[in-house]
Amino acid sequence: GENVEQHPSTLSVQEGDSAVIKCTYSDSASNYFPWYKQELGKRPQLIIDIRSNVGEKKDQRIAVTLNKTAKHFSLHITETQPEDSAVYFCAASKDYQKVTFGTGTKLQVIP
Amino acid sequence: DTGVSQDPRHKITKRGQNVTFRCDPISEHNRLYWYRQTLGQGPEFLTYFQNEAQLEKSRLLSDRFSAERPKGSFSTLEIQRTEQGDSAMYLCASSLAPQETQYFGPGTRLLVL
Repeated sequence: GENVEQHPSTLSVQEGDSAVIKCTYSDSASNYFPWYKQELGKRPQLIIDIRSNVGEKKDQRIAVTLNKTAKHFSLHITETQPEDSAVYFCAASKDYQKVTFGTGTKLQVIP
Repeated sequence: DTGVSQDPRHKITKRGQNVTFRCDPISEHNRLYWYRQTLGQGPEFLTYFQNEAQLEKSRLLSDRFSAERPKGSFSTLEIQRTEQGDSAMYLCASSLAPQETQYFGPGTRLLVL
């Protein structure tokens, strides 16, 4: 089955700096890669996603890149703000079936 | 609120008891997923339905776990003879195939004493 690895497990940045979270996946058939943000005690919320026919996608301060050959994908958050502090999960899926999540990155943005 | 809802939000039970959780997906969503999340980990897939058909079950889902979606709308997840290791957050998500985006409910936090 699919295996998703995520690094780093914790990340502290100063407000205004950029944050990068990296993930790798094992199943070359995976074709959908969502990123979820989960605040303490709350549900995971989709923040951005990318499909395997696209190499990069951007939404305001958030961007995701995908390298299918290397089976890597990354989340980039620019101009970080304290409200970006949360746990971020990368994930992979094939043909809108089950989603396999990474182990999460706890992002702390220091004011 | 037209999002995914789950009931109860919290459940405390004694080891050996049975528990049942309910999930109401977003209206018209034909796919419904159950995940389990333990502290410090990402959600782990348990099972999913398309309409009333259960299409896949994880090997993590022991025979003490059963899920149903009898009319293709809400779903129930039952755990029989609960064990302390079942303590976790149980998350439900729904989607409208062929769109991939899964929307999560608030979860049911289970504590087995």
